[in-house]
Amino acid sequence: ETGVTQTPRHLVMGMTNKKSLKCEQHLGHNAMYWYKQSAKKPLELMFVYSLEERVENNSVPSRFSPECPNSSHLFLHLHTLQPEDSALYLCASSPLGANYGYTFGSGTRLTVV
Amino acid sequence: GENVEQHPSTLSVQEGDSAVIKCTYSDSASNYFPWYKQELGKRPQLIIDIRSNVGEKKDQRIAVTLNKTAKHFSLHITETQPEDSAVYFCAASTGNNDMRFGAGTRLTVKP
Repeated sequence: ETGVTQTPRHLVMGMTNKKSLKCEQHLGHNAMYWYKQSAKKPLELMFVYSLEERVENNSVPSRFSPECPNSSHLFLHLHTLQPEDSALYLCASSPLGANYGYTFGSGTRLTVV
Repeated sequence: GENVEQHPSTLSVQEGDSAVIKCTYSDSASNYFPWYKQELGKRPQLIIDIRSNVGEKKDQRIAVTLNKTAKHFSLHITETQPEDSAVYFCAASTGNNDMRFGAGTRLTVKP
């Protein structure tokens, strides 16, 4: 384990469901990130939290709602998703600032039906 | 914002040969350039990185070069082995929590 844990590993949800993805890190990092990984596309930065404060929202639809209650935990709340939202959602953490390598979690494979 | 382009998208080499993956970036303020390896079904893992005050960095069979003037950087893998088969991502950052990734290169090393 690298120190960043994501749950669940797999999630199938209907378009009317509400679900949450969880990310936890115990590396002492102060920055946490959500990325979306779709086939044959670059990793897309969704949200950035620095010291528990959101510093970037990369024009992500409001059906994705992040939450960072403390520096060790990050959530992504999902509601009324679309089939095109099916992807691997990766959480990462780093020391403050982005000039250090990220530590990624294993991701949540999300399928919207 | 930063835009990172990566080539080629797929690369197939014979075991023992070298592999080179190239990336370009658009933001001249970028100063940190990591490379990640993602094996099938696994998380991306940092394999090497370079900062803008350095032109080349080596770690055993892998090396990275950076040309700040041309805004491009490359990953070189020598003496490739089947376990090097994976998707490799380059990335660039200015240090403001803004790391952007390339689209990835699927490397296949044939035994």
